Amino acid sequence: EAQVTQNPRYLITVTGKKLTVTCSQNMNHEYMSWYRQDPGLGLRQIYYSMNVEVTDKGDVPEGYKVSRKEKRNFPLILESPSPNQTSLYFCASSTSTDTQYFGPGTRLTVL
Amino acid sequence: QKEVEQNSGPLSVPEGAIASLNCTYSDRGSQSFFWYRQYSGKSPELIMSIYSNGDKEDGRFTAQLNKASQYVSLLIRDSQPSDSATYLCAVTPWGGANNLFFGTGTRLTVIP
Repeated sequence: EAQVTQNPRYLITVTGKKLTVTCSQNMNHEYMSWYRQDPGLGLRQIYYSMNVEVTDKGDVPEGYKVSRKEKRNFPLILESPSPNQTSLYFCASSTSTDTQYFGPGTRLTVL
Repeated sequence: QKEVEQNSGPLSVPEGAIASLNCTYSDRGSQSFFWYRQYSGKSPELIMSIYSNGDKEDGRFTAQLNKASQYVSLLIRDSQPSDSATYLCAVTPWGGANNLFFGTGTRLTVIP
C-alpha cells in the first residue's frame, strides 16, 4: 500500500529537549516536504527536499532542521523546541508533477 | 510572502445543493492550483488540480481558474453530508506540487 508514515503520532515534551519526528514514504517520490498546521494560520511549509541531499527552506524554517540521506526518509529535527512550536505537523511526498500525499500527522505539544 | 486567501466560513448548504468555495492569491506568477479536502483530525487529500484558465470537471467537482483576476474556485454539485469538511486552496509558484502555499481553509457543512 502506497503511504507516508510519521512517528510519533503524538508527542508531549518540554522546552529545550531535542526531538526528531520521522517521515518515510514507499512511493519512490523525489520530493518530500514538512508542514505545520495551526488554527487560523493554515498549513505552512517548513522545509522541502527535491531529492537526496537537496533541501531548501519553506515559509517557516526557523527552529527546525531536516536531512535527506535516503530517498524514502525525511526526518524533522527540533534541536531546542519551544512552546511556539506546539502544532500539528504533516509530512508529504510527491513526484515532480503529481499530487502531494500527506502523512497522518504528528501532534506535538511543547511545555 | 505569497498569500492565499479563503473565506473561513463556515459555509452551510442543504444536501443536494451546489457549494461554492472561493480562493484568491497574491502571487501573479503562480502556475499550479489545487483544492485539498481535510476531514476533522485527518490529513489533507487532493481532490482537484488545475493549471490553465477555465473550468475543469471531475465528477461532482468543478474547479474554475481565472489568472487575470487571480481567482480560483471549487464548485461541488449535489452536495452530500460526506462532503462536510474543510477545503484548502493551495498554489505553487511554478509548475509542480513540491512547494505549496495554502489558504487557511473554508469549513463546509452539508445539512441533511
